[in-house]
Amino acid sequence: NAGVMQNPRHLVRRRGQEARLRCSPVKGHSHVYWYRQLPEEGLKFMVYLQKENIIDESGMPKERFSAEFPKEGPSILRIQQVVRGDSAAYFCASSVELRTTEAFFGQGTRLTVV
Amino acid sequence: TQLLEQSPQFLSIQEGENLTVYCNSSSVFSSLQWYRQEPGEGPVLLVTVVTGGEVKKLKRLTFQFGDARKDSSLHITAAQPGDTGLYLCAGLHNYGQNFVFGPGTRLSVLP
Repeated sequence: NAGVMQNPRHLVRRRGQEARLRCSPVKGHSHVYWYRQLPEEGLKFMVYLQKENIIDESGMPKERFSAEFPKEGPSILRIQQVVRGDSAAYFCASSVELRTTEAFFGQGTRLTVV
Repeated sequence: TQLLEQSPQFLSIQEGENLTVYCNSSSVFSSLQWYRQEPGEGPVLLVTVVTGGEVKKLKRLTFQFGDARKDSSLHITAAQPGDTGLYLCAGLHNYGQNFVFGPGTRLSVLP
């Protein structure tokens, strides 16, 4: 998967706790995308970030979810007060530039809310 | 709504058979990508097609982008068990900021 690193691979949280998912893009990539995948379904777009900027967050719930991609360090997808419906695989992808034709994915973080 | 449809949803075939899966939309894409995803893993990029009518080959896999850049097909010749997986198409619009994914075709190749 061309070097996109996500951690943790698996995350278990109790209802009401916070989940923090990390994504380190391919070296040199300054654009990050987050997607959510439910079992037996395709990927649903959540948010698209450039370094220190949110470009498009139209797919991200307005409450409890936030994302950032700081100048230094990984991109973080944060889910506050998790509920059972947040259980899913969350994938991060990175690309070199805006609207490039290729994005490379990490292996995902599987969040389970109990 | 940027909608990508894929068909068939499920496909189970014997080793050695040929197959074609489809990706369709009513929207025009500046580029379209095909990914394969295995259980527990992230999608792996197979190919990107950009030009209407473009055909790309990757060993036994042949990808075609429709002339109007609204649809694409993936043809696999002499399928092998290693081809088993979820095949996803993803499109990028000229005005879009993100890749829109289809629901995928789940392929199972039986030995």
